[in-house]
Amino acid sequence: KQEVTQIPAALSVPEGENLVLNCSFTDSAIYNLQWFRQDPGKGLTSLLLIQSSQREQTSGRLNASLDKSSGRSTLYIAASQPGDSATYLCAGGDYGQNFVFGPGTRLSVLP
Amino acid sequence: GAGVSQSPSNKVTEKGKDVELRCDPISGHTALYWYRQSLGQGLEFLIYFQGNSAPDKSGLPSDRFSAERTGGSVSTLTIQRTQQEDSAVYLCASSSRVAGAPDTQYFGPGTRLTVL
Repeated sequence: KQEVTQIPAALSVPEGENLVLNCSFTDSAIYNLQWFRQDPGKGLTSLLLIQSSQREQTSGRLNASLDKSSGRSTLYIAASQPGDSATYLCAGGDYGQNFVFGPGTRLSVLP
Repeated sequence: GAGVSQSPSNKVTEKGKDVELRCDPISGHTALYWYRQSLGQGLEFLIYFQGNSAPDKSGLPSDRFSAERTGGSVSTLTIQRTQQEDSAVYLCASSSRVAGAPDTQYFGPGTRLTVL
């Protein structure tokens, strides 16, 4: 059974810093890996999706990588801004179209 | 529509009552998911619909939970004889996935259920 963990659980950084959020999964037969952000009281917004055949995806200041062999994905946020403050969740999807979510990392970017 | 919508946004009910939660997916999306998010917890998968195939109900926590999807569009999640531990935010997502190729999920704003 796939299990997904995220480290750290919470992170507070000053504005402008580059930061890395970590996601680990136990089943390397992952089919894809998605990163989402969740704002308080809101649903999830998809940020990036990496298929198992890919190594990374980029969108603006965000870059996500996937290393199936080590069971890890990282989300890199460049030049962080207060508007980046949110909870970031990763989710591993299998070929059977089931997704397992991590518990999230709560990010605070201080102005 | 512009996105996934859910209703109601908030629901307060008494223990033992039945509740129905509604999800309107993005038009044309064939896949629809229900998740539950308890306070401070990650998302817990409940059920998944793909086109006209039999739904994957493997995540439903008990037989008090059921869901249906009519006409391949709107879905209703029903919780019978609600318990206090059912209190959570129930999130719906849809995707335009083709068979065997998982696609980006788009989430609704959720329904916050409180069982007193």
